[in-house]
Amino acid sequence: QKEVEQDPGPLSVPEGAIVSLNCTYSNSAFQYFMWYRQYSRKGPELLMYTYSSGNKEDGRFTAQVDKSSKYISLFIRDSQPSDSATYLCAMSHPGSARQLTFGSGTQLTVLP
Amino acid sequence: NAGVTQTPKFRVLKTGQSMTLLCAQDMNHEYMYWYRQDPGMGLRLIHYSVGEGTTAKGEVPDGYNVSRLKKQNFLLGLESAAPSQTSVYFCASSFTDRANEKLFFGSGTQLSVL
Repeated sequence: QKEVEQDPGPLSVPEGAIVSLNCTYSNSAFQYFMWYRQYSRKGPELLMYTYSSGNKEDGRFTAQVDKSSKYISLFIRDSQPSDSATYLCAMSHPGSARQLTFGSGTQLTVLP
Repeated sequence: NAGVTQTPKFRVLKTGQSMTLLCAQDMNHEYMYWYRQDPGMGLRLIHYSVGEGTTAKGEVPDGYNVSRLKKQNFLLGLESAAPSQTSVYFCASSFTDRANEKLFFGSGTQLSVL
């Protein structure tokens, strides 16, 4: 069983929709949770980072962590065609960046 | 502002051939990483370096070697390529090694081994 599970999609939504992307994990030691966005034929770029449980908002993006359920989510409000990308969750226990565990990514397409 | 640059972008090898992937960063980062990305598998760490002259094994190091002779460069070598090494390879760098540190990724090298 993988430590981090992520639905690969593909997910297709109309412009302006609210998008929900999710990851589940099995390692209860994870405390740092990140979302990376990867455009086609590009490297991942950090979108958001949260520590422990709770919500964090940044513009149209909200990251949510529920440690009791071992479940994290990324919500995108008012989705735009420019949001079309693959979204990777990543998480780590309080160790080092080289101990990041990535999800396999969810491919999102926002249709104009 | 180049960031992290990887060369080449694409390569096709025959089984048994060797090649070197080059990663260069201009952000004066101490830490550098090589990942591979396969469908359904997520990014997996191959090797990493915590500074000039240092290298260490990651999660999937077999069949690869690395060198970090200069702080800005991190080389990934395949001595005898195998079809199982067909993948997209990403180099990344970071300023610190903290668990929440932002990784800066290159644009990747798509490698096919026939």
